[in-house]
Amino acid sequence: GEDVEQSLFLSVREGDSSVINCTYTDSSSTYLYWYKQEPGAGLQLLTYIFSNMDMKQDQRLTVLLNKKDKHLSLRIADTQTGDSAIYFCAESGTGGSYIPTFGRGTSLIVHP
Amino acid sequence: DAGITQSPRHKVTETGTPVTLRCHQTENHRYMYWYRQDPGHGLRLIHYSYGVKDTDKGEVSDGYSVSRSKTEDFLLTLESATSSQTSVYFCAISEPRRFNYGYTFGSGTRLTVV
Repeated sequence: GEDVEQSLFLSVREGDSSVINCTYTDSSSTYLYWYKQEPGAGLQLLTYIFSNMDMKQDQRLTVLLNKKDKHLSLRIADTQTGDSAIYFCAESGTGGSYIPTFGRGTSLIVHP
Repeated sequence: DAGITQSPRHKVTETGTPVTLRCHQTENHRYMYWYRQDPGHGLRLIHYSYGVKDTDKGEVSDGYSVSRSKTEDFLLTLESATSSQTSVYFCAISEPRRFNYGYTFGSGTRLTVV
């Protein structure tokens, strides 16, 4: 079945770049998403990429998609302490299913 | 989150009692989902709905039931609460014609079963 894998933790220094990685198994996914969850809150959509794209940039965020390796990454430039959160990778449902599959989330810790 | 609210935000209940959580949306989205979030497990789908009175099970549906009598409301019921159902519950909505909008989540309900 579909599966989305992420590393559980990432620690970076303020001002550095953060790269959060994700692998997925369903090659027919149409959309891939990155969500951010701050403590005590729900998940908030950060950005998405359509499956026919290789890269998408949105201010400090860069999403790279390697369809051959089924690898998705989120780069946050100039990471700030306010970026500390859990980041979830998700793929949209496929084959007529609209049920997304989420990774377990990567906890990003930003040190001053 | 705008357009989707969950109630209550926090609840403490006793083992064996029934509990109902409510999700209300104002976006007229066709799909609604209930997830639970637990440390080490990420998000796990409990039930989802693809229209009024149309629901289906997710991966962890045992002990839970749902109902959707109106587009805007999706109720999750724990028929007889157990301590293993202590968790944070999230509702989400989506509209298949707007896949680029992703899935919009509520703020969550923290449920403690004692």
